[in-house]
Amino acid sequence: AQSVTQLGSHVSVSEGALVLLRCNYSSSVPPYLFWYVQYPNQGLQLLLKYTTGATLVKGINGFEAEFKKSETSFHLTKPSAHMSDAAEYFCAVSPSGSGNTGKLIFGQGTTLQVKP
Amino acid sequence: EADIYQTPRYLVIGTGKKITLECSQTMGHDKMYWYQQDPGMELHLIHYSYGVNSTEKGDLSSESTVSRIRTEHFPLTLESARPSHTSQYLCASIGRLNTEAFFGQGTRLTVV
Repeated sequence: AQSVTQLGSHVSVSEGALVLLRCNYSSSVPPYLFWYVQYPNQGLQLLLKYTTGATLVKGINGFEAEFKKSETSFHLTKPSAHMSDAAEYFCAVSPSGSGNTGKLIFGQGTTLQVKP
Repeated sequence: EADIYQTPRYLVIGTGKKITLECSQTMGHDKMYWYQQDPGMELHLIHYSYGVNSTEKGDLSSESTVSRIRTEHFPLTLESARPSHTSQYLCASIGRLNTEAFFGQGTRLTVV
């Protein structure tokens, strides 16, 4: 069965500092990988996704993530944090290829705090 | 811009009441999903549908039920609300050729 682990339920960075949110997955075959952001009292917004091709994917708001098959990881980074980045971030996976059902398995989420 | 809508956004209701949470999308997506999110917790799939007249239970057991009579509409019903149903409910949809899910704004349900 697939599972997702996000290391660190809370991450605090200073404005302008590097943001690194960690995500590891467990799956017998590489799944589709996603990062979503959730602002208070809102739904989820897709930041970026990996399905096939280039392993370094760029998303919205300056975020990017790298799929590392050997490490079963999909860490999210942003070179310089902005106050508006403060939110809840979820890593998620879904089965790939012909087995894709669209059903998402989520990590437990990481709350990003950005200090002035 | 995703066109998936949930109503109501917030609902406070007494124990034993019947409620229906609405979810509609205008993108013609076949696949639709309901996720439950407890405060500060991850999301868990409770129901999904791959098309009209298709509904399945998700990974997390739920006392709610769903229906899919029209492609664009996927309502969730609780016949008798209990305080344990207090949670946020998020609806999502995916198109046939898409891989990413589009989410609604969510319904925050409080049962008192």
